[in-house]
Amino acid sequence: AQTVTQSQPEMSVQEAETVTLSCTYDTSESDYYLFWYKQPPSRQMILVIRQEAYKQQNATENRFSVNFQKAAKSFSLKISDSQLGDAAMYFCAIYLTGNQFYFGTGTSLTVIP
Amino acid sequence: DAGVTQSPTHLIKTRGQQVTLRCSPKSGHDTVSWYQQALGQGPQFIFQYYEEEERQRGNFPDRFSGHQFPNYSSELNVNALLLGDSALYLCASATGGARYTGELFFGEGSRLTVL
Repeated sequence: AQTVTQSQPEMSVQEAETVTLSCTYDTSESDYYLFWYKQPPSRQMILVIRQEAYKQQNATENRFSVNFQKAAKSFSLKISDSQLGDAAMYFCAIYLTGNQFYFGTGTSLTVIP
Repeated sequence: DAGVTQSPTHLIKTRGQQVTLRCSPKSGHDTVSWYQQALGQGPQFIFQYYEEEERQRGNFPDRFSGHQFPNYSSELNVNALLLGDSALYLCASATGGARYTGELFFGEGSRLTVL
């Protein structure tokens, strides 16, 4: 079975600063996908960024980037120039093709004005 | 382009009752998955429907059942409700059945409270 661990239940960051959210995972598979999802108070989960495990290059989406360390099974999310709208729960997830998504327990991010 | 829609948004039931939750996938999507998100937890996979059949199932009892209709919409049924079934139930859609590699699109969820 796959597991996803987010060891930071809560994080805070000053507006315009940078914050990194940690995620580790465990799987015996070599072909999988990793995701960061954001869940604001409105409840709808929104995809932040996606990484294919076979790609060595770290994914980037505007102010969001990942540090993917496959050997260490680590997948951290960096948010640069934090904005008030970034405040939300952030979930790390792993997906194996033909299997299911496994989510971590989430990190609550507070952005301080 | 309508996204994933779920109904009802909130509902309250008592122990032992049955509940049906509904989901319409994003336009063009044919695969629907259901997740249970307990308070303070990440979503837990219940099952996935594709081509009107349950394709995969998570570690949930048979009290949880579902259905997918020809228009790809889906229902989640929970029988003999327990207090522990209180949670946010999320529907997510995608394309391609078990072979999809893209993102899941989520609805806003149905908040179920069991008293």
